[in-house]
Amino acid sequence: GNSVTQMEGPVTLSEEAFLTINCTYTATGYPSLFWYVQYPGEGLQLLLKATKADDKGSNKGFEATYRKETTSFHLEKGSVQVSDSAVYFCALVYNQGGKLIFGQGTELSVKP
Amino acid sequence: NAGVTQTPKFQVLKTGQSMTLQCAQDMNHEYMSWYRQDPGMGLRLIHYSVGAGITDQGEVPNGYNVSRSTTEDFPLRLLSAAPSQTSVYFCASSYGGRGAGGYGYTFGSGTRLTVV
Repeated sequence: GNSVTQMEGPVTLSEEAFLTINCTYTATGYPSLFWYVQYPGEGLQLLLKATKADDKGSNKGFEATYRKETTSFHLEKGSVQVSDSAVYFCALVYNQGGKLIFGQGTELSVKP
Repeated sequence: NAGVTQTPKFQVLKTGQSMTLQCAQDMNHEYMSWYRQDPGMGLRLIHYSVGAGITDQGEVPNGYNVSRSTTEDFPLRLLSAAPSQTSVYFCASSYGGRGAGGYGYTFGSGTRLTVV
């Protein structure tokens, strides 16, 4: 079946550190890939997306590249801020199927 | 403002009570879904719908019923609440077909349910 696996958290970084959150997926065909972010006490917001192999999604300094050969979609940011503290979810959806499947989420805590 | 509206935001139920969590969207989205979020388990799909009159089960459907009589509304019913259903519930919607993959899902702000 289709699934998404993320690196376990929590991840704790100092402000201005480099961030990587690993995400790999298992799927047949060609899913679209997403990163969602959930700030404390809030719902989920779409952070970035990629719809085909080698696409790079980017937003708010975050980036992720759709790597079909390694079935990965790792999230990166060059310099994190305290305001980036949140839970990050990797997810996939088939264009026709409509089911959005999530990884288990990775909690990020950024210290001043 | 356009988006997904969930009501209520908070609810406390006694074991065995029934209730309906409401979800409405005004974006003319075909796809709608219900998720529950529990600590350490991410978001798990309860039920989903690809259009009015069409629903299907997700990963954890037991104890929940849904119906989709209109494009806008997708209520989630708990027929006999149990403590194991204590969770945060999120409703989400998306364009249909390739739109779901192209645009992703829009989420409501959630309903925090406690069953005692």
